[in-house]
Amino acid sequence: GAGVSQSPSNKVTEKGKDVELRCDPISGHTALYWYRQSLGQGLEFLIYFQGNSAPDKSGLPSDRFSAERTGGSVSTLTIQRTQQEDSAVYLCASSLDNRMNTEAFFGQGTRLTVV
Amino acid sequence: QKEVEQNSGPLSVPEGAIASLNCTYSDRVSQSFFWYRQYSGKSPELIMSIYSNGDKEDGRFTAQLNKASQYVSLLIRDSQPSDSATYLCAVTKAGNNRKLIWGLGTSLAVNP
Repeated sequence: GAGVSQSPSNKVTEKGKDVELRCDPISGHTALYWYRQSLGQGLEFLIYFQGNSAPDKSGLPSDRFSAERTGGSVSTLTIQRTQQEDSAVYLCASSLDNRMNTEAFFGQGTRLTVV
Repeated sequence: QKEVEQNSGPLSVPEGAIASLNCTYSDRVSQSFFWYRQYSGKSPELIMSIYSNGDKEDGRFTAQLNKASQYVSLLIRDSQPSDSATYLCAVTKAGNNRKLIWGLGTSLAVNP
């Protein structure tokens, strides 16, 4: 597709269950970001994949959160044993990430509700 | 000190006025600067990028960069109610670590 695609658009899960969120970046983009955004708040950085480099996981809030990027393309964000405070919109963005093109383009987000 | 700072607002301007949004950054080696617009309930979208000192104009939008003073601003001329949104400033450094660093955004309300 032409843009960043995220699935599902909405996810309602019970407290304690695991969830997986998927991101398909723009073809050819080597960098991929995950962010979390609560209502009325700014972007909370979670993780940054940059090409073949080790990912920057410094924003992951706890060890319940993990992310993978397979084959330098699709990424999955996994939240284990979900808690109500995990409820938020999870945004994925991708970037060409070369010296002249570092701007990121966002997917439509996944709205996660933990009940 | 936060790496990228913006006034949270809300900034309120009348329709047709110039809206001025400001952003300061702490790292002098920052190289690329971006303004994003985020409507309520939507994802951020890129509206301007700037890399060199001075002004860059695109339609009603002008980005201004001053590396010596470490600030970047966005001017919106002839503001319209449809410009009401949160404006996010983002910065990347030179070199191998090009991770985007974000401000928290400034809320803009354009009143008819």
